[in-house]
Amino acid sequence: QSVLTQPPSASGTPGQRVTISCSGSSSNIGSNTVNWYQQLPGTAPKLLIYSNSQRPSGVPDRFSGSKSGTSASLAISGLQSEDETDYYCAAWDDSLKGVVFGGGTKLTVL
Amino acid sequence: EVQLVESGGGLVQPGGSLRLSCAASGFTFSTDYMHWVRQAPGKGLVWVSRIDGHGSSTSYADSVKGRFTISRGNAENTLYLQMNSLRVEDTAMYYCAKPISGTRNGLDIWGQGTMVTVFS
Repeated sequence: QSVLTQPPSASGTPGQRVTISCSGSSSNIGSNTVNWYQQLPGTAPKLLIYSNSQRPSGVPDRFSGSKSGTSASLAISGLQSEDETDYYCAAWDDSLKGVVFGGGTKLTVL
Repeated sequence: EVQLVESGGGLVQPGGSLRLSCAASGFTFSTDYMHWVRQAPGKGLVWVSRIDGHGSSTSYADSVKGRFTISRGNAENTLYLQMNSLRVEDTAMYYCAKPISGTRNGLDIWGQGTMVTVFS
């Protein structure tokens, strides 16, 4: 049972816009910034969004992040087949004094 | 090029110990927080531990507290994870990671991982 809650799966068709939610509490998302990771099979995770909505250099602007209260969302617009993989949210938790991850969302491009 | 390279994984029996290393290059190692994150086969990401640049502030997941110790050798640009009293549930790929500049927890540089298998 992960501290941050993500839907286990999401799907969309090429070109579509999809969103992945991440729900937490006042001790994590409610008081700290959210980061999003993309992980292709057999590879290390890649930072997709940091500090709620910032994109590292090289990440396409098709990917965007937002936060409101104790929830956050990752949006992917212009969905492409190569976006089909796993996505994780994460945040610092003031009560646990550590980073907490969501359980991950497997995105399928139909 | 900024790079992290883990080593030290392997097979160990329950109750045993392992010491993981993470060699850093391409950046000023001593100024950055560093993290360990693990992933059991077929499962999600789980944060393990974090250490500040000086090595004076550390944090651990409850599941490893008292058994694992994170440390760093800034002179040799290396991060360590001493793992004692290993359990079957510690079996995972272990990644070291560095935060993106200006943050403590947005992990933008990751190593390739080192596999730890605890078997009875």
